[in-house]
Amino acid sequence: DQQVKQNSPSLSVQEGRISILNCDYTNSMFDYFLWYKKYPAEGPTFLISISSIKDKNEDGRFTVFLNKSAKHLSLHIVPSQPGDSAVYFCAATYAGGTSYGKLTFGQGTILTVHP
Amino acid sequence: SQTIHQWPATLVQPVGSPLSLECTVEGTSNPNLYWYRQAAGRGLQLLFYSVGIGQISSEVPQNLSASRPQDRQFILSSKKLLLSDSGFYLCAWSWAGRNSPLHFGNGTRLTVT
Repeated sequence: DQQVKQNSPSLSVQEGRISILNCDYTNSMFDYFLWYKKYPAEGPTFLISISSIKDKNEDGRFTVFLNKSAKHLSLHIVPSQPGDSAVYFCAATYAGGTSYGKLTFGQGTILTVHP
Repeated sequence: SQTIHQWPATLVQPVGSPLSLECTVEGTSNPNLYWYRQAAGRGLQLLFYSVGIGQISSEVPQNLSASRPQDRQFILSSKKLLLSDSGFYLCAWSWAGRNSPLHFGNGTRLTVT
């Protein structure tokens, strides 16, 4: 049962253009969502998060949008840079249990930004 | 600032051999600690988490176990490795009791042969 899905295994974008990575979830209990970036042979690095009480959160070039009715979130990177090339993971959790560390991850999307 | 150390970076072990992966966190006290695994072509899966010394919760039944002998030390173990234990193992920490993201170590690539 894949509760968090990233249906695009890969995305290729030209430098300077917008990258849009998508994520869908099925568990309506999820109320906190995160995006992580991962380079090969390294651990994931936290990028940006959003609580279910918001529909948008922005941090520099990164913006996350949340559509609760559609159970969908997206990460926008503008402008895209070659250094953004990595695997991007969407993750979700809920306010049950000890804290927000018990994340359910999507399968990841490989982003390639071409110079 | 907080840092997380995980070792070794890569490990090749024969089937049936034991396993011990270690993770330590610096710059914080009483963190929540986690072990995740990424199998080939799949997302990250939570294996264990701990909210304090000696307190371990398992998320999925498996051939592995975890221990937290000290506040900032988290160990992943197995008595006898299986081929299916191969994968990328990640230790992570988060602030206890807060809405905060996980911070991951650089992972251990385990290949069971």
